[in-house]
Amino acid sequence: SQWGEENLQALSIQEGEDVTMNCSYKTYTTVVHWYRQDSGRGPALIILIRSNEREKRSGRLRATLDTSSQSSSLSITAAQCEDTAVYFCATEASSGSWQLIFGSGTQLTVMP
Amino acid sequence: DMKVTQMPRYLIKRMGENVLLECGQDMSHETMYWYRQDPGLGLQLIYISYDVDSNSEGDIPKGYRVSRKKREHFSLILDSAKTNQTSVYFCASSFLFANTEVFFGKGTRLTVV
Repeated sequence: SQWGEENLQALSIQEGEDVTMNCSYKTYTTVVHWYRQDSGRGPALIILIRSNEREKRSGRLRATLDTSSQSSSLSITAAQCEDTAVYFCATEASSGSWQLIFGSGTQLTVMP
Repeated sequence: DMKVTQMPRYLIKRMGENVLLECGQDMSHETMYWYRQDPGLGLQLIYISYDVDSNSEGDIPKGYRVSRKKREHFSLILDSAKTNQTSVYFCASSFLFANTEVFFGKGTRLTVV
């Protein structure tokens, strides 16, 4: 079973637009990872947000975390064509043994 | 140079053959993982290893086994491969505590015909 899940499977926007991807998760977590996967590559961490942070920024990226609603979002400001990728949220599960549970991902396409 | 290296990158096997996927990391990470990725399903955890000879099943371990005899090396073995094991397999590693980045390899695309 997957505990983190993105709400939208695919998004297509124009260059320069802002975009937000959402992730809701079913089980308690103290941290949400956001990964980006380029075509033909493995996922790479872009933002890690902890429960005491509520919001975290990195360049044009902004992540939020609301533990009360068990949801997180990733926003990209003024998207560029190079932001085209699949974005995953992942939550940490610690029942039994620690592991990272990935959502199904959102394919973001930024068109020129 | 922090890196997770997977070999081979591409592999074609016949149904019933044995498959060995190898993974190495140079970051002295205690924890290593094997995931598979299928279209629309995200990443599914097959096995996780917390150190040498300390392996645990993930969500989809059936049909797979793993070996970790050195901290920097983690192998995924398919005994008698099946066509439904055609997928992209990712190895990953991290330090052994929460709130830590997981580093991924570039993946191995396995086709079982």
